Amino acid sequence: NAGVTQTPKFQVLKTGQSMTLQCAQDMNHNSMYWYRQDPGMGLRLIYYSASEGTTDKGEVPNGYNVSRLNKREFSLRLESAAPSQTSVYFCASSELGAEYGYTFGSGTRLTVV
Amino acid sequence: SQELEQSPQSLIVQEGKNLTINCTSSKTLYGLYWYKQKYGEGLIFLMMLQKGGEEKSHEKITAKLDEKKQQSSLHITASQPSHAGIYLCGAVPNTGGFKTIFGAGTRLFVKA
Repeated sequence: NAGVTQTPKFQVLKTGQSMTLQCAQDMNHNSMYWYRQDPGMGLRLIYYSASEGTTDKGEVPNGYNVSRLNKREFSLRLESAAPSQTSVYFCASSELGAEYGYTFGSGTRLTVV
Repeated sequence: SQELEQSPQSLIVQEGKNLTINCTSSKTLYGLYWYKQKYGEGLIFLMMLQKGGEEKSHEKITAKLDEKKQQSSLHITASQPSHAGIYLCGAVPNTGGFKTIFGAGTRLFVKA
């Protein structure tokens, strides 16, 4: 049982380049989330998908887009990467809503130079 | 908006010692999560507290939510190197909510 799988684990981008972070879960969870983690700031919600076919902005959505491809997959796209987007990105899923806790992926460490 | 403050920011303890981490909310909590993050890895769910005065344990880790539901403490008894990592508290959103607010985390180092 893999849980939440994120790819890639590490990535270096040049300013202005684009890329997509992939996330897949095999727990049949309805809700999926993208968070970023920066030193001293904890986790901040970028976007979430309450259920298949819906997406909503979180706390820090600027510069990102998301796609809920199906119930299993939720991708995060950086159209034009900026150094301020250097961070560790975590995907998470939950059965429905967040009140029962999340299952997190192992993270993608992104550096934008 | 709700904010969670964790203290201390970091902690170094000798193996075998007890320790406590605190999480204080600016507003009354619907509930509180505790997660552990091993360095360089994802977060692992430890426990969720919802009732005022509630206390839960997970192996040698005990967490309690105060009666007013604005403060939680996480206590580790007889710390081990395996306890090292970052401990994060998160505010459980109201029923049907999706936006969990997390604290900045407490970095725990355990010296063997």
